[in-house]
Amino acid sequence: DIQMTQSPSSLSASEGDRVTITCQASQDVRNYVKWYQQKPGKAPKLLIYDASHLETGVPSRFSGGGSGTDFTFTISSLQSEDIGTYYCQQHATFGQGTKVEIK
Amino acid sequence: EVQVVESGGGLVQPGGSLRLSCAASGFTFSNYWMTWVRQAPGKGLELVTNIKGDGSQIYYLDSVKGRFTTSRDNAKNSLYLQMNSLRAEDTAVYYCARDRGGATTLDFWGQGTLVTVSS
Repeated sequence: DIQMTQSPSSLSASEGDRVTITCQASQDVRNYVKWYQQKPGKAPKLLIYDASHLETGVPSRFSGGGSGTDFTFTISSLQSEDIGTYYCQQHATFGQGTKVEIK
Repeated sequence: EVQVVESGGGLVQPGGSLRLSCAASGFTFSNYWMTWVRQAPGKGLELVTNIKGDGSQIYYLDSVKGRFTTSRDNAKNSLYLQMNSLRAEDTAVYYCARDRGGATTLDFWGQGTLVTVSS
């Protein structure tokens, strides 16, 4: 089974900061990676699909990149409403999640 | 408007059974894979099972094989998860989600239903 190793497990940053989360696949997964945001007590929300495609309606400060085994998710300018946990996913496997907080 | 709404969660004793339902609306249900994802308290996301639009292909997480059965009724726009021989480690919020394109791109999620396995 493919493993998705996500890091860091948590981060704290100031509003306006650039934030980057990484996800490493245990084998080549081409570009079949998605990124989700989950706010406390809510269902996850799809932000990025096929590694770099922004879901309709998602703010452009969110972006994704990478292919093969190494992937990144970036928030270009962190906003207070972005607090929550972010997960990468490849088919049936999710990363461990990254909890994002405001400093 | 696309909607998926789960129901059927609750408290059940170890070894017991529970059936979850997911009612879908706002899209052609039979054209989409559907997925159950769970989240144990304070933990991450775990894909439990998914089923192709016509029901011809089904995937199960290893830890639920032989205990859980997923099915769908396209005439009723409904997805089901029959859970038998429940264990404490099955305690979680169970989400129903639509899979766009069959590559587990989960674009619409329900609000979740809590399953608690405890004596």
